[in-house]
Amino acid sequence: RKEVEQDPGPFNVPEGATVAFNCTYSNSASQSFFWYRQDCRKEPKLLMSVYSSGNEDGRFTAQLNRASQYISLLIRDSKLSDSATYLCVVNPGNNRKLIWGLGTSLAVNP
Amino acid sequence: DVKVTQSSRYLVKRTGEKVFLECVQDMDHENMFWYRQDPGLGLRLIYFSYDVKMKEKGDIPEGYSVSREKKERFSLILESASTNQTSMYLCASTLGGQGAFGGELFFGEGSRLTVL
Repeated sequence: RKEVEQDPGPFNVPEGATVAFNCTYSNSASQSFFWYRQDCRKEPKLLMSVYSSGNEDGRFTAQLNRASQYISLLIRDSKLSDSATYLCVVNPGNNRKLIWGLGTSLAVNP
Repeated sequence: DVKVTQSSRYLVKRTGEKVFLECVQDMDHENMFWYRQDPGLGLRLIYFSYDVKMKEKGDIPEGYSVSREKKERFSLILESASTNQTSMYLCASTLGGQGAFGGELFFGEGSRLTVL
């Protein structure tokens, strides 16, 4: 089992739709979690951090389910500009290196 | 705004050439990182540094070396470029205080290297 797994997609949704991605992780002792957004041919940028049960920022909600070892990202009222790849990142703690998922591709269509 | 600047956006080099990739950050960050990103493989850590003149190997250090002579600058060196080092190289920095990997990573725009 990979340490961090994401459905690569692509997820094709119409504007205004609600879409959710999951990310599963294998190390139950992982400390913190992040969602990064990466536009085509651009660098990743932090979207949200998740340290406890969840986090909300406008249209974006991240939730952590420690029992089932996954985090989710929910995007409400999708915009064309949300089209990007969303990277799940896990901090396993003890100053060990971050573990990156391969990303989930989202395309929001007019 | 934090700015991480990578010196070259696109490079084309020949097999066996020595390649320098430079990265400068302007926010006095303690930690700096070099990643490469390849389709199907994601981001892989090459080297990182948590202080001037300090360096630590990441997951794929073979064929690479780094230099951090000043806090703001972290250089990646390919001593003898090979075709399998064709990739997107991303430099990043973090403030510190939460360990090398606890904080938000700020990335440069990337350097796309092609080795012929």
